[in-house]
Amino acid sequence: GAVVSQHPSWVICKSGTSVKIECRSLDFQATTMFWYRQFPKQSLMLMATSNEGSKATYEQGVEKDKFLINHASLTLSTLTVTSAHPEDSSFYICSARLGGPKDTQYFGPGTRLTVL
Amino acid sequence: KQEVTQIPAALSVPEGENLVLNCSFTDSAIYNLQWFRQDPGKGLTSLLLIQSSQREQTSGRLNASLDKSSGRSTLYIAASQPGDSATYLCAVYNTNAGKSTFGDGTTLTVKP
Repeated sequence: GAVVSQHPSWVICKSGTSVKIECRSLDFQATTMFWYRQFPKQSLMLMATSNEGSKATYEQGVEKDKFLINHASLTLSTLTVTSAHPEDSSFYICSARLGGPKDTQYFGPGTRLTVL
Repeated sequence: KQEVTQIPAALSVPEGENLVLNCSFTDSAIYNLQWFRQDPGKGLTSLLLIQSSQREQTSGRLNASLDKSSGRSTLYIAASQPGDSATYLCAVYNTNAGKSTFGDGTTLTVKP
């Protein structure tokens, strides 16, 4: 089956620093990737939709200047949390869309970000 | 806008019981529906995926059904075990929107 990886799986950083999270589709090309955020005891909320070679589309309430998304290739999307603060501590999950006859989303294992 | 609701929010059962988790969605123009399991502090594990043209999918002790017209899906777990304790999430994928919408999940506790 289609596999999506994320790196790192967990990261701890100091307040004010920036953190980059990578999302890769390992065995398929994904023109569209998605970034979700999950706070403790809550469900996954879509942050943004990333299309290869174009600007990401952000959901309402998500700051595009704080959460920078780059989808430079068909197998890699990155999310950079700039000037991170403790309230940005969360579980970040990416997914990649496999189009065609079996169009569906495949989800990565997630990255746990803790901002001190 | 697609809205997904899962009932109940939490469920506690003794080991060995059969149980049903429910997922409902407002926009029936879906492409597929997935059931996931999430253990505390962990990522998502895909359990079953049902295409919009299918009525059900089975994997081991799990059976998921889909009634697109009524906007409902159920996840049936047979002979529950303590290892089944986790949060179960359903996600509905709409092709027109090109994205998945998640329910809030059902937290299941199976007592030995």
